[in-house]
Amino acid sequence: EAQVTQNPRYLITVTGKKLTVTCSQNMNHEYMSWYRQDPGLGLRQIYYSMNVEVTDKGDVPEGYKVSRKEKRNFPLILESPSPNQTSLYFCASRDPSGLADTGELFFGEGSRLTVL
Amino acid sequence: LAKTTQPISMDSYEGQEVNITCSHNNIATNDYITWYQQFPSQGPRFIIQGYKTKVTNEVASLFIPADRKSSTLSLPRVSLSDTAVYYCLVGETGNTPLVFGKGTRLSVIA
Repeated sequence: EAQVTQNPRYLITVTGKKLTVTCSQNMNHEYMSWYRQDPGLGLRQIYYSMNVEVTDKGDVPEGYKVSRKEKRNFPLILESPSPNQTSLYFCASRDPSGLADTGELFFGEGSRLTVL
Repeated sequence: LAKTTQPISMDSYEGQEVNITCSHNNIATNDYITWYQQFPSQGPRFIIQGYKTKVTNEVASLFIPADRKSSTLSLPRVSLSDTAVYYCLVGETGNTPLVFGKGTRLSVIA
């Protein structure tokens, strides 16, 4: 089954304790992206990657890092989490060069992070 | 990237047709218009995409006028399960970042 898998789905942590949210897709997509969603603010892009070893900042990259060492994985790293990073996070992937003309974004189920 | 403007919220009764309009005045020649639907605590999912005129699938229709500066998502005979946030996106289908706005929160009432 084609899917984007995020882990953990829920996490409560404390300020300053480094954490990583993993994202993996099994569709061989080149493009992957991270979004955060906060009440009243919609979905905001954190980072995106157009291919292996290629990453770019989105609208709200501060406090986050990413890496793209292999096509299927795109982890989101919070080196020193702060309470303002409490949010619902979504990973997504897309195949811009495939047979699907739509370039449809496939989303994971989300990771709800709370930083105390 | 073309900016989009949508109503923040809409209400509708079950069984009615709902039309959500999105403005994108600075749409580029290579841009497509795509709509996503998001239920609470779930990731958005693709509904429909178009470039011009009209596109219809089993879920919705998308109407795009000749100047392409706006588009209208039409949901026929909505049900309670159509209550969700609907996002309009404009961009190329190639390897470019897709930017979501705040979307339109549709509430369907029995």
